Amino acid sequence: GIQVEQSPPDLILQEGANSTLRCNFSDSVNNLQWFHQNPWGQLINLFYIPSGTKQNGRLSATTVATERYSLLYISSSQTTDSGVYFCAVEHDMRFGAGTRLTVKP
Amino acid sequence: GAVVSQHPSWVICKSGTSVKIECRSLDFQATTMFWYRQFPKQSLMLMATSNEGSKATYEQGVEKDKFLINHASLTLSTLTVTSAHPEDSSFYICSASDGGAGNTIYFGEGSWLTVV
Repeated sequence: GIQVEQSPPDLILQEGANSTLRCNFSDSVNNLQWFHQNPWGQLINLFYIPSGTKQNGRLSATTVATERYSLLYISSSQTTDSGVYFCAVEHDMRFGAGTRLTVKP
Repeated sequence: GAVVSQHPSWVICKSGTSVKIECRSLDFQATTMFWYRQFPKQSLMLMATSNEGSKATYEQGVEKDKFLINHASLTLSTLTVTSAHPEDSSFYICSASDGGAGNTIYFGEGSWLTVV
């Protein structure tokens, strides 16, 4: 099956800093989504982005389908951005291992 | 936007008993729903694909007799953990697609199961 790898596994930032999270996948995909999992376990949909670039406030994402990777950008990070960020691919959502982000005040 | 709801959010049960978790699509019909489990500090692992009106498709290594899935209507799928053991304690979460533009997948709030 398709393999999904995320990097880095852990990231610690000072509030206000910018960051880039990466998601590599082993085969072409029809569906790729980024999620933020909050401390209570809830998965928040960030982007549906099988290709191209999207922006939503301080967050943006780019997927280069031909090169099989996607990037999630977080600008001017806030403490509320802390949590685990997952990318998942395909209709049945195969997940990467996630990036655990900690933003310190 | 599309909403998927799970119930209960938290459940504690005794070893050997069974517990049922419900997953509902509140404002759309979902012919397919998915069930995942997540252990602490790990990723989500797909357990099975729930198909309305037919048998669920289980991932390799998932015991179908232990994790019973029923998808009796277009808005409801249930996961029953039978003869629960402490090692079944986990976070269980479901998802569904509204089949709309973008084919976005929506997740329920998840259910924390503790078996004592």
